Amino acid sequence: EAQVTQNPRYLITVTGKKLTVTCSQNMNHEYMSWYRQDPGLGLRQIYYSMNVEVTDKGDVPEGYKVSRKEKRNFPLILESPSPNQTSLYFCASSFYQRGRNIQYFGAGTRLSVL
Amino acid sequence: AQTVTQSQPEMSVQEAETVTLSCTYDTSENNYYLFWYKQPPSRQMILVIRQEAYKQQNATENRFSVNFQKAAKSFSLKISDSQLGDTAMYFCAFIENGYALNFGKGTSLLVTP
Repeated sequence: EAQVTQNPRYLITVTGKKLTVTCSQNMNHEYMSWYRQDPGLGLRQIYYSMNVEVTDKGDVPEGYKVSRKEKRNFPLILESPSPNQTSLYFCASSFYQRGRNIQYFGAGTRLSVL
Repeated sequence: AQTVTQSQPEMSVQEAETVTLSCTYDTSENNYYLFWYKQPPSRQMILVIRQEAYKQQNATENRFSVNFQKAAKSFSLKISDSQLGDTAMYFCAFIENGYALNFGKGTSLLVTP
């Protein structure tokens, strides 16, 4: 089954404790992206990657890191989480072709930083 | 700057009726892609329908159809024969350059019996 898998689905942590949210896709997509969703703001892009070892900042990258060492994986790293990073996070992937750019989303990770 | 505007934060419709969700956007590009995503209470983001800007014909997917007005930069979603399972947050989004989805703030739709 074609899917984007995020883990964990729920996470409660404390300020300053490093954490990683994993994302994996099995569709051989070149493009992967992280979004955060906050009430009243819709979804905003954090980081994206157009292929292995190619990453770039989205609209709200502060406080986040990413890596793309393998095509299928795109982890989101919070080196020192803060309460303003409490949010719902989505990973998404698509082919890197304009006619095939439908993005498929993971199930989301709800993060609470205390 | 917000480039996708959904002017209806909340809407409700009775089962079996038709409802239209509004979306306007701003871009200087001539070729781009428009999407409606549905987010039910499970929080999963589900693609409802997709429209390519260079295609004049409005996209349809079963009970879901769009009214794409390129000159007006308008992309509304019509849901016919509404069902209880259509209750969800609906997001309008588009891709102009690159592959980043620009999302609106969403419209919360409630379908009542």
